[in-house]
Amino acid sequence: AIQLTQSPSSLAASVGDKITITCRASQVLRSAVAWYQQIPGKAPKLLIYDVSELESGVSSRFSGSGSGTEFVLSISSLQPEDFATYYCQQYSDYPRTFGRGTTVDIK
Amino acid sequence: QVQLQQWGAGLLKPSETLSLTCAVSGGSFSGHYWSWVRQPPGKGLEWIGEISHRGSINISPSLQSRVSMSVDTSAKQFSLRLTSVTAADTAVYYCARAGWGNLDIWGRGTQVSVSS
Repeated sequence: AIQLTQSPSSLAASVGDKITITCRASQVLRSAVAWYQQIPGKAPKLLIYDVSELESGVSSRFSGSGSGTEFVLSISSLQPEDFATYYCQQYSDYPRTFGRGTTVDIK
Repeated sequence: QVQLQQWGAGLLKPSETLSLTCAVSGGSFSGHYWSWVRQPPGKGLEWIGEISHRGSINISPSLQSRVSMSVDTSAKQFSLRLTSVTAADTAVYYCARAGWGNLDIWGRGTQVSVSS
């Protein structure tokens, strides 16, 4: 199975900060990477699919990039509602796999 | 818009069978894969598997020996069965719609606890 390693596992930031989260895959992926946001007690929410495509209704302060084995989620200006846990997922191969998550806390 | 409503038993004893169902409303059932994902307490997401409206199935190798899935196209429902549960199967179980592999619509989750 393809392993996804997210870094950092957690970070503290302030409202207005720009942050980036990295997802490294154990093998080269097609452009089949998604990013999800999860607020405690809620289901995950799709933010980005196909590496860089913004899901309908998601704020443009979220963006995705990358290729090969390294992928990045960026949040341009953190808002209070963005403090959550973020997961990457690959759907380049079966079984589908997720990264272990990055928790973004308020500094 | 498409919504997923899921249900099933929330408390099981070891060796029992977990059974969950997810109903799709507000959209097409065909043309998608319908997925199950679980999340143990305080941990990350684990993909369990998926089933198409035609009944084509992909299951995680780590669970393949214990998992079965089914679909009822006329009712727009799909189901998960996990046999011989243990405490390690305690988790929130989510159903979700797979677009081209990404999961764009999620159910609210069902807490399943396994305890003697």
